[in-house]
Amino acid sequence: AQSVSQHNHHVILSEAASLELGCNYSYGGTVNLFWYVQYPGQHLQLLLKYFSGDPLVKGIKGFEAEFIKSKFSFNLRKPSVQWSDTAEYFCAVNVAGGSYIPTFGRGTSLIVHP
Amino acid sequence: NAGVTQTPKFRILKIGQSMTLQCAQDMNHNYMYWYRQDPGMGLKLIYYSVGAGITDKGEVPNGYNVSRSTTEDFPLRLELAAPSQTSVYFCATWTSGRNEQYFGPGTRLTVT
Repeated sequence: AQSVSQHNHHVILSEAASLELGCNYSYGGTVNLFWYVQYPGQHLQLLLKYFSGDPLVKGIKGFEAEFIKSKFSFNLRKPSVQWSDTAEYFCAVNVAGGSYIPTFGRGTSLIVHP
Repeated sequence: NAGVTQTPKFRILKIGQSMTLQCAQDMNHNYMYWYRQDPGMGLKLIYYSVGAGITDKGEVPNGYNVSRSTTEDFPLRLELAAPSQTSVYFCATWTSGRNEQYFGPGTRLTVT
């Protein structure tokens, strides 16, 4: 079974700082990869996803992620964060071609100070 | 479309009580899921369903039951509530058309 690791549990940044959140997975086959965001008191929403093609994926609100197959990684980046990016971020992995039962990481709590 | 709706939003139960968390969707998605979210632990899959009449256990099914008699509804039943079931519960669906999950607003449950 696949597993997902998010190494940064808590990240605190000032506005305009750059962001990179790590996500590594363990599965030797083809995977589909996702980043979800959960704003305080709200439900999860999709930020971006990778299924195939260009490994650099652009999502909503200026976020992007790069799939590096050799490193089993799918790190989330944003060049300049805003206070409104304060949220919890989840990486998820699903085995391609199978039932859609994704595995979620533990999440990273991001606090952005104005 | 209302998307994925969950009721109630909040509930406090006493140990040993029972309750049903409701989840409904109006998007005609086949896959539906129940997750629990505990602080620092991410999302744990409780049960899922690939269509009406078909359900299967996830990672943490003990203490819960589900049914899926229609495409729209996927209720989660707690028979004998325990403090360990204090959590936030999210229902979700998946669409193959957009290849992503849609989550409901959640139910915050406290068992004391």
